[in-house]
Amino acid sequence: AQSVTQPDIHITVSEGASLELRCNYSYGATPYLFWYVQSPGQGLQLLLKYFSGDTLVQGIKGFEAEFKRSQSSFNLRKPSVHWSDAAEYFCAVGAGSGYSTLTFGKGTMLLVSP
Amino acid sequence: DGGITQSPKYLFRKEGQNVTLSCEQNLNHDAMYWYRQDPGQGLRLIYYSHIVNDFQKGDIAEGYSVSREKKESFPLTVTSAQKNPTAFYLCASSMGQGRAQPQHFGDGTRLSIL
Repeated sequence: AQSVTQPDIHITVSEGASLELRCNYSYGATPYLFWYVQSPGQGLQLLLKYFSGDTLVQGIKGFEAEFKRSQSSFNLRKPSVHWSDAAEYFCAVGAGSGYSTLTFGKGTMLLVSP
Repeated sequence: DGGITQSPKYLFRKEGQNVTLSCEQNLNHDAMYWYRQDPGQGLRLIYYSHIVNDFQKGDIAEGYSVSREKKESFPLTVTSAQKNPTAFYLCASSMGQGRAQPQHFGDGTRLSIL
């Protein structure tokens, strides 16, 4: 069975500083990986996805993520955080074949300090 | 604009009462999903459907029921058998034809017990 671990429940970053949110997955074959963002009381918005190819993927809002098979990780990064980035971030993994559901991590809440 | 509409945004249930949450999509997606979100728990899959007139239980289906009579619609009923229904409920859809696809989310329904 697939699983996702987001080790950090909360992270606080100063505005303008860089950000890295960690995601580790467990899956036997090549995973399909996703990062989503959720503002309070809202649904989830897709930031980026990895299916295959280049292990560094670019997403919306200046986010990027790097797939590292050897470390079973798919960490999300942003060079300079803005106050509007404060939200909850979810990593998800799905299978690369057959009908598949996504398994989500428990989320990391990002707080941005002035 | 295409998207997913969940209604109502807020819903209150009395003890012993069934309530139905609406989810409609105009993205022409085959697959639809229902998740439950509790603080610190991430998203947990209740039911999903990859095709009309067919659906499968997710990880926490007890106390819930669904139907998929139309491609556009996937209503969720929270029955009186669900003893702890207070949560934020999210509906999602995806293209769904094999392999994991990005899921698109509605804005959620918050259910509370009176």
